[in-house]
Amino acid sequence: DQQVKQNSPSLSVQEGRISILNCDYTNSMFDYFLWYKKYPAEGPTFLISISSIKDKNEDGRFTVFLNKSAKHLSLHIVPSQPGDSAVYFCAASRMNNAGNMLTFGGGTRLMVKP
Amino acid sequence: EPEVTQTPSHQVTQMGQEVILRCVPISNHLYFYWYRQILGQKVEFLVSFYNNEISEKSEIFDDQFSVERPDGSNFTLKIRSTKLEDSAMYFCASSDERWAFFGQGTRLTVV
Repeated sequence: DQQVKQNSPSLSVQEGRISILNCDYTNSMFDYFLWYKKYPAEGPTFLISISSIKDKNEDGRFTVFLNKSAKHLSLHIVPSQPGDSAVYFCAASRMNNAGNMLTFGGGTRLMVKP
Repeated sequence: EPEVTQTPSHQVTQMGQEVILRCVPISNHLYFYWYRQILGQKVEFLVSFYNNEISEKSEIFDDQFSVERPDGSNFTLKIRSTKLEDSAMYFCASSDERWAFFGQGTRLTVV
């Protein structure tokens, strides 16, 4: 039961260009969507989030877009930098009495080439 | 900046042995979680803990697993009798109302 899917296991981008990472979900009960960044041998680090009632959230070089009708979100990184090279996980959140349980996608490995 | 800390960073154990993975969540957080990531696979939810009890658990979290918050600061995951397929990175996380912050993980290797 893959409620959150990232269909591209990897993405390679030239430094300075835009990176677009995509994520699809199936459960319309999710109320927040988050992106986490993960380096090898480290835990996921929170990057940016978006509420299900919004369609865009921007934070510096990072922008997340949400298309609820298509159940699709994307993370845009502009301009991409070599330090952005990492695995990016999309996660969906359903706040209930259990707290903020996250359902993760499979991750996309981003490689930014100098 | 407050952070979630996990010990040990790497644990090697023999199949059938018990292991305890330890976590110190961020102090003012109320919700605590364990996730795991088997090599090459996605990060999977194991269990959430709130108000000193398990609030939700996945089907992975069977009777071999237990969690405890013994002293109000540490949050532990115990695997009673480890199996080879328990080898994975185990991540502890804590959250306030919304964002989960993750620890660096414990790499468990069952041999």
